[in-house]
Amino acid sequence: EVQLVESGGDLIEPGGSLKLSCTASGFTFSGFTMGWVRQAPGKGLEWVSDINESGGKTYYVDSVKGRFAISRDNSNNKLYLQMNNLRAEDSAIYYCAKAKSKSSYDYWGQGTLVTVSS
Amino acid sequence: DIQMTQSPSSLSAFVGDRVTITCRASPDISNELAWYQQKPGKVPKLLIYSASTLQSGVPSRFSGSGSGTYFTLAISNLQPEDVATYYCQNYNGAPLTFGGGTKVEIK
Repeated sequence: EVQLVESGGDLIEPGGSLKLSCTASGFTFSGFTMGWVRQAPGKGLEWVSDINESGGKTYYVDSVKGRFAISRDNSNNKLYLQMNNLRAEDSAIYYCAKAKSKSSYDYWGQGTLVTVSS
Repeated sequence: DIQMTQSPSSLSAFVGDRVTITCRASPDISNELAWYQQKPGKVPKLLIYSASTLQSGVPSRFSGSGSGTYFTLAISNLQPEDVATYYCQNYNGAPLTFGGGTKVEIK
């Protein structure tokens, strides 16, 4: 059974940093593109970032470029999102997701809540 | 960047009705479009990928069509358990934009 479990969400002040983790199980982690999608309270889905199978290619939405960094540890089946210089508009539930074909996501974690507020 | 325009933003229909949701892409995204269902308080669920391929386990009353810039999600024989918000997603290339969502309710 595929499982994705996020952790690391917290209440953080503007300008602060946070690192989200996603632990994967039930599939060959190194064989799939992985991504992060966020959802602000009461709002729609927003794609944040993707990383290819090897970790050699990464992609970001413009609003987080230069502030967020996605990475993965294929030896330990983990996906990460390092978030720096956080802003109030980054407040959201962050979902870890496994790509099926290219980047349609067939499995999602339960999400971890990031709140940026003073 | 690719823009995804989804309509309507909400709809209300009777049990048993057929409903259609539209997603327009600009520019052309070939068939690299997915549809997701998100029930209140739940995680998004993949319904359709490659514009028209039904994800395993998804009821056959859901169907997708289209290519290029115009796509539709149809729900035939609407059921109470279909109450949810539906999103289209472009995965033709970064940024992988989602549509704004369509909230489906039962009359």
